[in-house]
Parts: sequence; C-alpha cells; structure tokens
Amino acid sequence: GQNIDQPTEMTATEGAIVQINCTYQTSGFNGLFWYQQHAGEAPTFLSYNVLDGLEEKGRFSSFLSRSKGYSYLLLKELQMKDSASYLCAVMDSNYQLIWGAGTKLIIKP
Amino acid sequence: ETGVTQTPRHLVMGMTNKKSLKCEQHLGHNAMYWYKQSAKKPLELMFVYSLEERVENNSVPSRFSPECPNSSHLFLHLHTLQPEDSALYLCASSQDPNSGANVLTFGAGSRLTVL
Repeated sequence: GQNIDQPTEMTATEGAIVQINCTYQTSGFNGLFWYQQHAGEAPTFLSYNVLDGLEEKGRFSSFLSRSKGYSYLLLKELQMKDSASYLCAVMDSNYQLIWGAGTKLIIKP
Repeated sequence: ETGVTQTPRHLVMGMTNKKSLKCEQHLGHNAMYWYKQSAKKPLELMFVYSLEERVENNSVPSRFSPECPNSSHLFLHLHTLQPEDSALYLCASSQDPNSGANVLTFGAGSRLTVL
C-alpha cells in the first residue's frame, strides 16, 4: 500500500530552527509537496520537489531524497505565525496525491 | 473576488436533512476537487472534475452527490448523512490534474456537523 509518515506534533521556540520530516512509500513518484494550514484556514502551497536536493524559499527550505523516500521541511528564524499544520503529499505514478496526516507545529515564545 | 471560495463555512444538519456545499474558483483553473478532512487523518479525495467531467470518484457513499455545472463552480449535495460524516470539507482547484507540478489552491472549507 501507499503511505506517508510524518510526526503528529512538534514544538519549537520562537527564533529557533525546526525540521519536519516526511517519509513515503508510493507507487512511483512525480513530486513531493508541502502545504501549510493554519487552524480554520485553507491549506496553502509551500513547496514542490521533484529532483533530489534542497530548495530554498526565504525562511523555508525543502529537501528531497528519492532513493531514501524522504523529505524534510526546514523552517528558520521561527515566528509565532508559523504555528500551523504542515502537510506532506506525494504524487504517484498515476498523478494521484497521497497525503500524510499532517504535523502540528507549536511555536512557544 | 479571487481564489477559491466555499459556502457555507459552517453547517449543522440532522441525518434526514438535505443540504448543499458550494465552491467557486476565480483562477481560470480546469480541475476542481472535493476533499474530506478529519482530525489527525490524511486528506481523503472524494471527487475530481476536469473540464466539467468527473474523472475520479473514490468509492464515496451515494449520500454525497457532486455537481459541476461549469468550470468555475462545484457543489456537493448532501442527504441522509451519518454522524461520522462530520468533518471539514475542502474544495480545491488546479490547472492540470495530469501534471506532476499540480499545485492545488484550496478554499477555507465548510465545517459540517451531523447530529
């Protein structure tokens, strides 16, 4: 079966760095997505990785290793507004999106 | 108005009621989706429409009935629901469902409570 694993909840301190991991087993691979979802709001697109390596976008970076079935989202200089759920999703060979259950990130002052 | 708009934001209904959720996108996208989001569970894809034709129906119970009258509007008709159908229902749109870089734009969701 197809599966995405990510931690249920993480806590970090304002100003610090946090890494949210995502491992996957899917039928084929056509890219990996990260979305951010604040409570009561729409998920919003953060990043898309299809090749191995690190993609940086300001304070957020996303890493992919296809051979290991592994990705992480790195958030630097954490701010209180980064408190949200972070959803990892993989597109399989049939262009179906397989979703993880999300990681709730709590930022403490 | 831009983006993806969903109404109503909150809905409480009894098991014998009939109601509808509405979704509207102003992005010129070709595909629209209904997802179910339950606490601590992955998003569940319910229906996909591409160019107003249904292309995906993931074994969703018949008490959920989608309708896509045009490429900008999507409805989810609800009847004789069960309490376990209580969840957040998210609508999304995208440009091309058969593309690897298929970025979804979501609405804020309709929170459904079935009594």
